[in-house]
Amino acid sequence: DTEVTQTPKHLVMGMTNKKSLKCEQHMGHRAMYWYKQKAKKPPELMFVYSYEKLSINESVPSRFSPECPNSSLLNLHLHALQPEDSALYLCASSQVLQPEAFFGQGTRLTVV
Amino acid sequence: TQLLEQSPQFLSIQEGENLTVYCNSSSVFSSLQWYRQEPGEGPVLLVTVVTGGEVKKLKRLTFQFGDARKDSSLHITAAQTGDTGLYLCAGVTTDSWGKLQFGAGTQVVVTP
Repeated sequence: DTEVTQTPKHLVMGMTNKKSLKCEQHMGHRAMYWYKQKAKKPPELMFVYSYEKLSINESVPSRFSPECPNSSLLNLHLHALQPEDSALYLCASSQVLQPEAFFGQGTRLTVV
Repeated sequence: TQLLEQSPQFLSIQEGENLTVYCNSSSVFSSLQWYRQEPGEGPVLLVTVVTGGEVKKLKRLTFQFGDARKDSSLHITAAQTGDTGLYLCAGVTTDSWGKLQFGAGTQVVVTP
């Protein structure tokens, strides 16, 4: 199994809503990542988890709250987002200290 | 500013032609990866190059890593319409594990 599965594929939320993005992998990877990608731009790193602990936070606003409940799951909790947060949110995983990251299909988020 | 500079930004060719995409930096990378991304999907890993001067071939795709590990190129021979996509180079510098940084991407369009 070489898949990273993200749900939902599409999400529309209001600025006062609370929602969560979910990511799952069964490759035994112990590093997991959240990226944000705006249209016609490359992915931008948001968070890195290593062995289920947050190791990198790229100065992401607190309205984005990551969680890694176990080695296979990664969540991104969303609260009070702004329209400019609309983007494709990508989850990825890798072996720790290995550069090859495997990406999910992404969640297309629209904030209205 | 982008740590990895990709060129060209856009490339449109006909089936059967060859193309080369470049990825350059002033920083030294422990490895470089090439990904291809389709619209609305996550990036798919094509290859990782690790050793300076390394050349890897995957069918019609040839990847090179510069001797100084600061640049890379992707060459496609006899392009097919299925090669259409956004090609992204990405790398981890020698002092920033976990921070996979992407170039801006090269949009390749192959027409019949």
